[in-house]
Amino acid sequence: GQQVMQIPQYQHVQEGEDFTTYCNSSTTLSNIQWYKQRPGGHPVFLIQLVKSGEVKKQKRLTFQFGEAKKNSSLHITATQTTDVGTYFCADGSSNTGKLIFGQGTTLQVKP
Amino acid sequence: DADVTQTPRNRITKTGKRIMLECSQTKGHDRMYWYRQDPGLGLRLIYYSFDVKDINKGEISDGYSVSRQAQAKFSLSLESAIPNQTALYFCATRAGGFVTDTQYFGPGTRLTVL
Repeated sequence: GQQVMQIPQYQHVQEGEDFTTYCNSSTTLSNIQWYKQRPGGHPVFLIQLVKSGEVKKQKRLTFQFGEAKKNSSLHITATQTTDVGTYFCADGSSNTGKLIFGQGTTLQVKP
Repeated sequence: DADVTQTPRNRITKTGKRIMLECSQTKGHDRMYWYRQDPGLGLRLIYYSFDVKDINKGEISDGYSVSRQAQAKFSLSLESAIPNQTALYFCATRAGGFVTDTQYFGPGTRLTVL
């Protein structure tokens, strides 16, 4: 069945270093969504990518959608302690509104 | 989001007990979802509902049931709780109709089954 694989599972960085998490799908996606979950919190929507090769930026966060629409990445430039949390990608292709989540990448930032 | 609330926030129960987790929303969304989160597994869909008369199983529905009492309320029941149902449970809502609509999550219920 449809699977969304996300790597790495964990990442520890020094504050100021960059961070990237990757999301790969076994099938072509119509759209991909990214969520952030702070420790002890709930997932919060960050962004949605729809177009092949799309790149979107939110301050220090850069999101990319692959040309084949089978992969995506989230890159954080110069991490800060406020970036700590788990980042999930999710396949939002279903017309039922179901999301298929990747396993998430948990980011730890050392001050 | 405060628009999506879950009760209780924490629950400890014993094996074999029946429990209900409740979700309410004030966003006016038609679609509601129940997920469970386990470490390293992300969020997995248990049940989802398009309206009060439309209930659908997700990928891990065994051992769970749901009730959509009104547009704003969606409850998840564990008929006979077992320890491997210990997890963090999230309710989510979404406005219907468009593939690109996002989901809004409640604060979660941490359930422990002893």
